[in-house]
Amino acid sequence: GQNIDQPTEMTATEGAIVQINCTYQTSGFNGLFWYQQHAGEAPTFLSYNVLDGLEEKGRFSSFLSRSKGYSYLLLKELQMKDSASYLCAVRDLDSGNTPLVFGKGTRLSVIA
Amino acid sequence: DGGITQSPKYLFRKEGQNVTLSCEQNLNHDAMYWYRQDPGQGLRLIYYSQIVNDFQKGDIAEGYSVSREKKESFPLTVTSAQKNPTAFYLCASRGGAPGELFFGEGSRLTVL
Repeated sequence: GQNIDQPTEMTATEGAIVQINCTYQTSGFNGLFWYQQHAGEAPTFLSYNVLDGLEEKGRFSSFLSRSKGYSYLLLKELQMKDSASYLCAVRDLDSGNTPLVFGKGTRLSVIA
Repeated sequence: DGGITQSPKYLFRKEGQNVTLSCEQNLNHDAMYWYRQDPGQGLRLIYYSQIVNDFQKGDIAEGYSVSREKKESFPLTVTSAQKNPTAFYLCASRGGAPGELFFGEGSRLTVL
């Protein structure tokens, strides 16, 4: 089966750092994606990991450990506009067009 | 500009009626997907198509139908057999490496 777990909600303070965790159990693995989704809008792509380690992109970084089935998204210097849902998604087979399997998302609230 | 266009953005339907949601892309992508999103739920896959004239059922295909007669178009019909059709529907296409999904702005369907 496929299972992707994320915390439902998190709250953090403007200017701080927050880490959003994602654990997954899938039949195969061919990449993990993070998306940002503001309320009522479409998800937008943030990051991609297929090998173990940290990928950094500006204020956002994403980490992957394949042996542990674990990833996290790290947001630094939080801004109010970072208040959104963050979706973890896994491609579980080697076929390039295999659909992504999404977690339920983590709703992040950034407070002053 | 290249992108994915979904229409209508908002749609109201009476019980027993079929409705068709449009999804058009000019990104020259082969693979296209339909996901459904409910409050507190992740994105769940309805149907996907890897190439013209071919499509596969996703996890929640019952009560839905699709066609893929052109590369650019992947319409979704919500039939009267769908028991709980009120939801936010997202269409996506798959880009090149790393194969992230590009989403349309979504269609919010409400059954009265």
